[in-house]
Amino acid sequence: DVKVTQSSRYLVKRTGEKVFLECVQDMDHENMFWYRQDPGLGLRLIYFSYDVKMKEKGDIPEGYSVSREKKERFSLILESASTNQTSMYLCASSLEGVADTQYFGPGTRLTVL
Amino acid sequence: GENVEQHPSTLSVQEGDSAVIKCTYSDSASNYFPWYKQELGKRPQLIIDIRSNVGEKKDQRIAVTLNKTAKHFSLHITETQPEDSAVYFCAASNKFSGGYNKLIFGAGTRLAVHP
Repeated sequence: DVKVTQSSRYLVKRTGEKVFLECVQDMDHENMFWYRQDPGLGLRLIYFSYDVKMKEKGDIPEGYSVSREKKERFSLILESASTNQTSMYLCASSLEGVADTQYFGPGTRLTVL
Repeated sequence: GENVEQHPSTLSVQEGDSAVIKCTYSDSASNYFPWYKQELGKRPQLIIDIRSNVGEKKDQRIAVTLNKTAKHFSLHITETQPEDSAVYFCAASNKFSGGYNKLIFGAGTRLAVHP
């Protein structure tokens, strides 16, 4: 059974802080994704990675960066948190790329004050 | 840019009735269309998907239909039960300029099944 975990369920940060969100999957998946989920907007892709040290920008990469040093771990970094980055952040992984089941983590609800 | 429109945003049905959620997409090259279910406070989970080489797929009480000409696809749930209450997201595959694929998600439909 695929397991995707995220480092925190809830996080409260101050404007301007550097924020790290971590995601770990245990099924040796090549592909990992970071989405943010906002009411009425569905899930929007921030960044994705098809291999270790490989990253590609998604639809809304501004204000974010990512790191994938190991296959099982994909980190999302908010360099200087802003209030408009308050959201639910979901990590996902898949074996065969986009046209394959994406397994999601439980989500991190980030509040930036 | 490419987008996926999903309707309705909310749907309320009586237990035992059918529910239909519709999505339209803009990229004619899209070839993979999954549906995800997200129960309250839980993570999204894939419930069914369809590829562009078929027009319909069924799995027990749920079915998905695809009309490539009209660029729309629909989720059908028959004999609804209270545990079907959730937010449902459709998605369509789309290519980045760099050649990689991504999913574009609809805004979601909140389905409430009343006993």
